[in-house]
Amino acid sequence: NAGVTQTPKFQVLKTGQSMTLQCAQDMNHEYMSWYRQDPGMGLRLIHYSVGAGITDQGEVPNGYNVSRSTTEDFPLRLLSAAPSQTSVYFCASSYRETGYGYTFGSGTRLTVV
Amino acid sequence: SQQGEEDPQALSIQEGENATMNCSYKTSINNLQWYRQNSGRGLVHLILIRSNEREKHSGRLRVTLDTSKKSSSLLITASRAADTASYFCATDGNNDMRFGAGTRLTVKP
Repeated sequence: NAGVTQTPKFQVLKTGQSMTLQCAQDMNHEYMSWYRQDPGMGLRLIHYSVGAGITDQGEVPNGYNVSRSTTEDFPLRLLSAAPSQTSVYFCASSYRETGYGYTFGSGTRLTVV
Repeated sequence: SQQGEEDPQALSIQEGENATMNCSYKTSINNLQWYRQNSGRGLVHLILIRSNEREKHSGRLRVTLDTSKKSSSLLITASRAADTASYFCATDGNNDMRFGAGTRLTVKP
């Protein structure tokens, strides 16, 4: 089925560990983004990409890295996990950054202990 | 920072009733979108309304936009238990859509 695939669905990390959250889409969308969702705060943009080879920072980029080597994939790397990064992470894609609906993945629930 | 702000934060109604949720925003927009999120799932796009539109329908959904008041409303008619979810409005920022904190809708059977 066409859509956005995120892996893993759940992850527990120890403080200081690193990991990569995977995101892949098969809709040939140019725009991809990562959000984190915390209770009562809506979604906050971490990083985004308007096309392969192009990435930029969003509202809360500290502690995260991204790359976009292909149109399909947009992994999010946590460099050194901190308890403040405990959250639910969503990847989204769209034809463009605005003006079109976003397709979201099912999310990764991350706990940092 | 969040652009849209939904009101109320939570809404509880009986099946068959209508549900109205509101969204206010601060700066001018090109379009506004509404999304639904079921518990433990990702957001699902419901409807997009452009700044030059005043009303849009999709099935049991009706969205209005008043750019002079910087507000939008989402009406769900004849609600069902399956409509229980959180609903978010999103407005276009510079390079992304900005989401509010959402309205939690509970439809009791």
